[in-house]
Amino acid sequence: DTEVTQTPKHLVMGMTNKKSLKCEQHMGHRAMYWYKQKAKKPPELMFVYSYEKLSINESVPSRFSPECPNSSLLNLHLHALQPEDSALYLCASSQDGQDPLYGYTFGSGTRLTVV
Amino acid sequence: LAKTTQPISMDSYEGQEVNITCSHNNIATNDYITWYQQFPSQGPRFIIQGYKTKVTNEVASLFIPADRKSSTLSLPRVSLSDTAVYYCLVGDTNSGTYKYIFGTGTRLKVLA
Repeated sequence: DTEVTQTPKHLVMGMTNKKSLKCEQHMGHRAMYWYKQKAKKPPELMFVYSYEKLSINESVPSRFSPECPNSSLLNLHLHALQPEDSALYLCASSQDGQDPLYGYTFGSGTRLTVV
Repeated sequence: LAKTTQPISMDSYEGQEVNITCSHNNIATNDYITWYQQFPSQGPRFIIQGYKTKVTNEVASLFIPADRKSSTLSLPRVSLSDTAVYYCLVGDTNSGTYKYIFGTGTRLKVLA
């Protein structure tokens, strides 16, 4: 299995809702990432988990809450989002730590719309 | 704040060679340079990675000069399906935390 699987593919949520994005990989990778991508912009790093521990939080607002239940799973819990949080949310994994040797493997993303 | 910069867009015709540059003036001594391709509503896909000089694989070549402050992705004989956004990825230490940041991206349009 050489994929990163993200669910759901599309999500529409109200500003008072609570929802979660899920990411799964079975490549034995020990680092996992959340990125946010706005239209016509590069992916912007949000969080990095290395060996199941949060190693980087890019000053992301607390309405985004990451969770890494085990080495194969990564969740992003969403609560009280704003319309400007609408974006493509990408999950990625890599073999070891943050070192991109051999590259990151990305999922197809979750298209989030906040109404 | 140092940025990893790329040309915003490029147009090319089918069958031509395309060269896309990335400027990374503050690259660390031990950093690799990685290039990704992204289609609309998909995640970036790994193309090629290098440390110095030239690297070639089945889809692209990567040229890195001796000072490593820039790199050039070369796509030989592009086709319509190569229309995509291309990003370089290099380490960044400006915020005090070492992390990898995507370049500004180059939108390549291949014309028939």
